[in-house]
Amino acid sequence: GAVVSQHPSRVICKSGTSVKIECRSLDFQATTMFWYRQFPKQSLMLMATSNEGSKATYEQGVEKDKFLINHASLTLSTLTVTSAHPEDSSFYICSARVDEGAHNEKLFFGSGTQLSVL
Amino acid sequence: RKEVEQDPGPFNVPEGATVAFNCTYSNSASQSFFWYRQDCRKEPKLLMSVYSSGNEDGRFTAQLNRASQYISLLIRDSKLSDSATYLCVVNSGGSQGNLIFGKGTKLSVKP
Repeated sequence: GAVVSQHPSRVICKSGTSVKIECRSLDFQATTMFWYRQFPKQSLMLMATSNEGSKATYEQGVEKDKFLINHASLTLSTLTVTSAHPEDSSFYICSARVDEGAHNEKLFFGSGTQLSVL
Repeated sequence: RKEVEQDPGPFNVPEGATVAFNCTYSNSASQSFFWYRQDCRKEPKLLMSVYSSGNEDGRFTAQLNRASQYISLLIRDSKLSDSATYLCVVNSGGSQGNLIFGKGTKLSVKP
């Protein structure tokens, strides 16, 4: 299947710093990528939909100025957590959508980034 | 009603047992359904798509009941390696076709 590379896998940072997470589709072009956040024992929560060449679409309650998304090419989307605080500590995962026909889209996930803000 | 609701679990079963997971979804316009598997602190991995006619892949059988908006996953002859969290995933039916994840049901298979 398609491969999505996410980097870094783990980040520990001080409160107030910014953290950039990269998500790359290695063997295909992804016009649409998704960013999720997962707190312990909770489900994946969609944060935003990243569309190549246009602004990201954020889910309700997600601050677009805090979680900056850039999807400048068909193989790379980045999420920057600006001025991170301890409550931003979470597991962040990206995914790329592959359409395989009508109503048959599949998601391929990056390996996730565990962010710990001290 | 939550968009995608699953059995809370956890399910603790012995090796060789048969275990069934249930899932209900609220959006009747949903068109695509999947089961994903997620190991602790790892990314979800697609286990199988779920089709109206039901489908089987080895020890795994998935079924869909559109009238009841209900999806199931059956695992036969469970192995230790089946221990994971199983996520029910449904297409939201919106124009973006975003997939909505259930909270997942944790399965622990014991020797």
